[in-house]
Amino acid sequence: QQPVQSPQAVILREGEDAVINCSSSKALYSVHWYRQKHGEAPVFLMILLKGGEQKGHEKISASFNEKKQQSSLYLTASQLSYSGTYFCGTEASNFGNEKLTFGTGTRLTIIP
Amino acid sequence: DGGITQSPKYLFRKEGQNVTLSCEQNLNHDAMYWYRQDPGQGLRLIYYSQIVNDFQKGDIAEGYSVSREKKESFPLTVTSAQKNPTAFYLCASEAGGPYYNEQFFGPGTRLTVL
Repeated sequence: QQPVQSPQAVILREGEDAVINCSSSKALYSVHWYRQKHGEAPVFLMILLKGGEQKGHEKISASFNEKKQQSSLYLTASQLSYSGTYFCGTEASNFGNEKLTFGTGTRLTIIP
Repeated sequence: DGGITQSPKYLFRKEGQNVTLSCEQNLNHDAMYWYRQDPGQGLRLIYYSQIVNDFQKGDIAEGYSVSREKKESFPLTVTSAQKNPTAFYLCASEAGGPYYNEQFFGPGTRLTVL
């Protein structure tokens, strides 16, 4: 079952902040975040493991709330280069029978 | 320079023909994956392989076949049984192990069936 991402699309001006959410109906072991620019391959951003660990990558950070089975990606002071579609991938706790499952994506457009 | 390559970038085929998409990696990764991407549907897993000579079906395997005879190579065949094959196909590799790590994606092949 695919995780649900929200919003589906968002348009921001350069310098504004954005939050992208990823929710699952299953208990999760990890959440993975990728960014894909139009016509290109997805590029890895970060992995968050069970335990509520928050991670950062330049001005992009994320949190993982295992009780809510939800992860949020935070983009601070967005730059034009942040435009693209962001995907979360979730790995359920009972690894061995589950695969990494990707959400449908959030399209982020940054305008000058 | 390590990486993952897919060829061709664009592929056109007539309906009813089988077509094979190439995926090669020189990252020495054990695991390899094939995804299909349609507008608005994200990445859907077709097949994956965690070791040479072994592979498993993903969520949408019907109409597709794969082989994993070499660690570096994981070709995908889109057969005539696949009802709607026009899509963007992405191959990925990962170091492998008990838990998922970063996946490295190839540039993709855009298949159009006429």
